[in-house]
This record gives sequence, C-alpha cells and structure tokens, in this order.
Amino acid sequence: GAGVSQSPRYKVAKRGQDVALRCDPISGHVSLFWYQQALGQGPEFLTYFQNEAQLDKSGLPSDRFFAERPEGSVSTLKIQRTQQEDSAVYLCASILIPQRSLSPDTQYFGPGTRLTVL
Amino acid sequence: GNSVTQMEGPVTLSEEAFLTINCTYTATGYPSLFWYVQYPGEGLQLLLKATKADDKGSNKGFEATYRKETTSFHLEKGSVQVSDSAVYFCALSDHSGGSNYKLTFGKGTLLTVNP
Repeated sequence: GAGVSQSPRYKVAKRGQDVALRCDPISGHVSLFWYQQALGQGPEFLTYFQNEAQLDKSGLPSDRFFAERPEGSVSTLKIQRTQQEDSAVYLCASILIPQRSLSPDTQYFGPGTRLTVL
Repeated sequence: GNSVTQMEGPVTLSEEAFLTINCTYTATGYPSLFWYVQYPGEGLQLLLKATKADDKGSNKGFEATYRKETTSFHLEKGSVQVSDSAVYFCALSDHSGGSNYKLTFGKGTLLTVNP
C-alpha cells in the first residue's frame, strides 16, 4: 500500500475487555515498531520487530500487553483486561531496512488507533 | 537513559513571524536527531533529521543544527505560514551498541499560526 495503515482508527472498550489493534506496514518493510502516545505526551516505545522476530519488548508496560507479527508483515498489538490507564493513541511505524553502519532510515508512521477504556 | 526535552507550548505566532522551538537531549551514545510534525487529523511525518554533530537538517523552510557541545537541536523557521500550524516533536534515535533505532520523543509543542 501507499503507507502504513492501522485499524480500527477508534476503539472504545469497557474496563476488563480484551482488544486487538492491527498494523499493516508498508509492503516490504522489514522493521516494525509500536508506540503508545498518551494525551498531551510524545509517543513512547513499546516493542520492535525485525521480520517476524520480536527483538525488543522492553517498553511493554505490563504482561497484559502482547504483540505479534507471525509472517513478518501485519502486526497485532493485543491488550488483555484493559484498564483506564491504557487509554491512548497506539502508533505503528515501519522502516525498510535498518542499517547499523548507515544513518537510520526514516520511520513511517500510521495514523494510529485511539483507544478509550471506560 | 535517553531523553528529550523540548519547549513547552502552546506557541502562537502571526504569519511571517520567526519561529524557534528549543530541544535538548540526553543520550548515552551518539544519537541521530529528528523533528517530526503532526498536522491536525494526520499521522506523524518526518520533517528533518541530522545524524552527526554540526549537521544541519532542513526541509520546507525549517532548519535545525545538531549541536553536540550544547546537546541541542533547536527548530527554526524564518517566516511561518498558517499551514505550519501543527504539533512538533523532537526525537532521537540512539543506534550505538546495536540498538534498534527506536525513537525517544519529547512531549511535543503545539504551534498555532494566525493570519
């Protein structure tokens, strides 16, 4: 596709419900990132995939958060037993190829999913 | 750890005014520095970047210079337009030591330009 897409764009959940957020990166992009953006704050890193491998999940705030990318393209961020503090915009970004010896490639961001937990 | 501190907003300017948004950073390695912009109703877009000390990034009339001695990357534009109204985020990516290019962002600065 032309860019990174995310669905749904808006999600309202009752406290305790499970939610699944989807990210479709740019076709062929190897690396994929998830970020969480609370209201009035900058995005904060959650987790990183290179192809299907989850290489860094240091930013996941609790074991209720789980991400996967089983075929190295589409990724899903799942939040179990949602809490009010999970309310935020969840952003997905992708990079073509990370090159350690070169300047970092531009991260292309999706429009985000706004999650509201009541 | 890494962190980014940027000027608190909101910033309100008249068209054609000079813009500066301050950004300073703390990093353990040798980061690359970025400015991202978020226009109303849209996703984050890269505005400009600089990968080493003294580099100047520029785009759409915006400029920022990577100053290692002051750990700063201030965003400037000589003459703002109404269409520049957006939220601006300063960010760094520390790819030393095998890091994965994850971005560390500041809190964002809301800019409103009035005609």
